[in-house]
Amino acid sequence: SQTIHQWPATLVQPVGSPLSLECTVEGTSNPNLYWYRQAAGRGLQLLFYSVGIGQISSEVPQNLSASRPQDRQFILSSKKLLLSDSGFYLCAWRRAGAGNTIYFGEGSWLTVV
Amino acid sequence: GQNIDQPTEMTATEGAIVQINCTYQTSGFNGLFWYQQHAGEAPTFLSYNVLDGLEEKGRFSSFLSRSKGYSYLLLKELQMKDSASYLCAVRDGSSGNTPLVFGKGTRLSVIA
Repeated sequence: SQTIHQWPATLVQPVGSPLSLECTVEGTSNPNLYWYRQAAGRGLQLLFYSVGIGQISSEVPQNLSASRPQDRQFILSSKKLLLSDSGFYLCAWRRAGAGNTIYFGEGSWLTVV
Repeated sequence: GQNIDQPTEMTATEGAIVQINCTYQTSGFNGLFWYQQHAGEAPTFLSYNVLDGLEEKGRFSSFLSRSKGYSYLLLKELQMKDSASYLCAVRDGSSGNTPLVFGKGTRLSVIA
């Protein structure tokens, strides 16, 4: 069966510090990968998605970036965090091809102080 | 553009039936999804509709009308553990790779 993990689960970072959130998927090949953010009281906002290694589509221009160095690894980064970057970050995957459902990782709570 | 609307909050009694509506306006359509999200946790998949009609899965059912841009999630025999947010999401592209667009969610409170 397929599993998805992301870490760290919780982090508190000062304004201006860097960020790295990592996500890995096991049990499948060439998945579509996604990063969503959920701010307090708001819906899920798509940040980035990837259909293959090195292929990143950005949905929202901001100080975040994403990379996919390996087939089942997706990384969300920032060089300098802003207060507005606080939120619940969710990695998700779906099977490439016929499958349509996306499945979420456990999520990472980021508080920028 | 894309627009997905659902009520912000609903309250229902344990053992009752509740219907959560979702309307959408998208340039294309390639499936509608419902997710459940408990407070502080990640969303979990509930149902998927791509053709008109009702899909039933235990206590949960989901209905879709593509011509009306409308869906609902029906929860029967409500239990306290059903208290959660319910997210409606649409894939609006013709490609299966198109990401999902989510509504803001409906927070359901089940009371005794």
